[in-house]
Amino acid sequence: DAKTTQPPSMDCAEGRAANLPCNHSTISGNEYVYWYRQIHSQGPQYIIHGLKNNETNEMASLIITEDRKSSTLILPHATLRDTAVYYCIVRVVLGGDMRFGAGTRLTVKP
Amino acid sequence: SAVISQKPSRDICQRGTSLTIQCQVDSQVTMMFWYRQQPGQSLTLIATANQGSEATYESGFVIDKFPISRPNLTFSTLTVSNMSPEDSSIYLCSVTGGRNGANVLTFGAGSRLTVL
Repeated sequence: DAKTTQPPSMDCAEGRAANLPCNHSTISGNEYVYWYRQIHSQGPQYIIHGLKNNETNEMASLIITEDRKSSTLILPHATLRDTAVYYCIVRVVLGGDMRFGAGTRLTVKP
Repeated sequence: SAVISQKPSRDICQRGTSLTIQCQVDSQVTMMFWYRQQPGQSLTLIATANQGSEATYESGFVIDKFPISRPNLTFSTLTVSNMSPEDSSIYLCSVTGGRNGANVLTFGAGSRLTVL
């Protein structure tokens, strides 16, 4: 699986949009981009995934660049409960395990 | 998505002892995974456990230290053997499952082990 690069930490004001970037310049054509988050003392939670089109669900939006070498996870209206470590992972959709990088620690501040 | 229950949720163990962590899933799943998360670190895959076959271990993890059982499609155990303080970690069980065809991983809440 390709590797990803994320900033180690980010801050966001409560109520504002949180934009979390991820670089995956070596992504293969059959690899998807997955985002997970881990709130303190909990197991990782699936957020969203995509191949090449932008995706939106009840939790977030995922913007993938046309060349697929990077993506951005958008939390449209961050709340204090969104404070967590966010992981960007690339993997083939039929793959088994997932390999986690260091992730981005997002702190939402009042 | 699947619901995963892990036991124990936390434990304090003595050096040299062993502890078995249980992972129960509410549906039948083919692949189960065990991860370790050391304090302040990301998740590291220990092994993949498929029913009816030996677990496949990642580099740096061996069966003698982390024996795994997978007796059926809804249950697995991970044993941490002959523990030392370096084994103090959160151990997480996960399974793959369909979510709009995404084959995402669902995680249990984890088992936090502290070795004294």
